[in-house]
Amino acid sequence: AQSVAQPEDQVNVAEGNPLTVKCTYSVSGNPYLFWYVQYPNRGLQFLLKYITGDNLVKGSYGFEAEFNKSQTSFHLKKPSALVSDSALYFCAVSNNTNAGKSTFGDGTTLTVKP
Amino acid sequence: GAVVSQHPSRVICKSGTSVKIECRSLDFQATTMFWYRQFPKQSLMLMATSNEGSKATYEQGVEKDKFLINHASLTLSTLTVTSAHPEDSSFYICSAIGQPNTEAFFGQGTRLTVV
Repeated sequence: AQSVAQPEDQVNVAEGNPLTVKCTYSVSGNPYLFWYVQYPNRGLQFLLKYITGDNLVKGSYGFEAEFNKSQTSFHLKKPSALVSDSALYFCAVSNNTNAGKSTFGDGTTLTVKP
Repeated sequence: GAVVSQHPSRVICKSGTSVKIECRSLDFQATTMFWYRQFPKQSLMLMATSNEGSKATYEQGVEKDKFLINHASLTLSTLTVTSAHPEDSSFYICSAIGQPNTEAFFGQGTRLTVV
């Protein structure tokens, strides 16, 4: 069975500071890893994914994430946070044998204060 | 990127009635579609996986007679919540994947409120 852990329910940062939202995973086979953002009463917006290739993945809105196989982590980062980044962030995992069947973490609420 | 459209975005229905939610892949053929449910301030929980032309596979604990899934074509899957009750009120999200592909694309979600 595959699983995702987002150990922090809430992350608070000041505007302009770097942010990190943590994610670790467990899956058999080759992992496919994703980050999504959700604003209140809205659907999921895709941010970035790791399928293969470079461990550092760059995505939308200046976000990036680094795939670390030894630590089974895929932390989301941004060098300089914006107030508009405040939202709910989900990490998700699937694999090469069952692509599309994603398991989501519990989500992390990011609050960026001016 | 690929586009998945979900309709309606919001629906209110009376207890005991049924409501149908549509999920369409607009620019690709979706061999598999997934239906998720999200309670307020919680994560997405997979309800079922549907493959075109075959019966859906339901996750443990999901009542297949209550949540009817049909995937009759490569671009359309429907979720029908039968005899809806207030506890069925939730945010329902679909995703779709084609071949060859490595990721599923998500619809905008449907907010169902049963009164």
